[in-house]
Amino acid sequence: EAQVTQNPRYLITVTGKKLTVTCSQNMNHEYMSWYRQDPGLGLRQIYYSMNVEVTDKGDVPEGYKVSRKEKRNFPLILESPSPNQTSLYFCASSLSIAGGLGGYTFGSGTRLTVV
Amino acid sequence: AQSVTQLGSHVSVSEGALVLLRCNYSSSVPPYLFWYVQYPNQGLQLLLKYTTGATLVKGINGFEAEFKKSETSFHLTKPSAHMSDAAEYFCAVSRGGYQKVTFGIGTKLQVIP
Repeated sequence: EAQVTQNPRYLITVTGKKLTVTCSQNMNHEYMSWYRQDPGLGLRQIYYSMNVEVTDKGDVPEGYKVSRKEKRNFPLILESPSPNQTSLYFCASSLSIAGGLGGYTFGSGTRLTVV
Repeated sequence: AQSVTQLGSHVSVSEGALVLLRCNYSSSVPPYLFWYVQYPNQGLQLLLKYTTGATLVKGINGFEAEFKKSETSFHLTKPSAHMSDAAEYFCAVSRGGYQKVTFGIGTKLQVIP
């Protein structure tokens, strides 16, 4: 089944403790992206990647890092999480470079709470 | 720059009634437009899209949307609401395949029995 898999689904952590949210897609998509979803703000793009070893900042990149060493994987790293990073995170992938043609395939989300 | 405005963060309809979710966009070039649906505890799923050609676009689950350039609108409709339509709906705009996608803030649809 074609899908984007995120792990974990739920995560509670403490301020400053480094964490990684994994994202993997099995569709051979070139384009991958991370979004955060907050009430009243919709989806905001954190980082995106157009291909292996090619990443760029989205609208809200502060406090986040990403890497794209393999085509299928695009982990999101929070090196020193803070409470304002408490949010629902989505990974998405697309065949075209920005989902602007075929649309995105989204993962099921990771609900992160930083205390 | 491009942007999307979804009118009404919450919409309630009775089961069997018309569903109308409003979306207006701003784009300096001909836009590509999308509607996504998010069911509780799930990721977003593509409902329908407009790229070029016919302005009335049909999607999954009986939904459709019409691109109206003169009104810069892409409203989502469904003739008869079903309980299973209760979800959050997001409108999105892009300037094309190699351009960024911008999402609206979402509209939560409640269906009343």
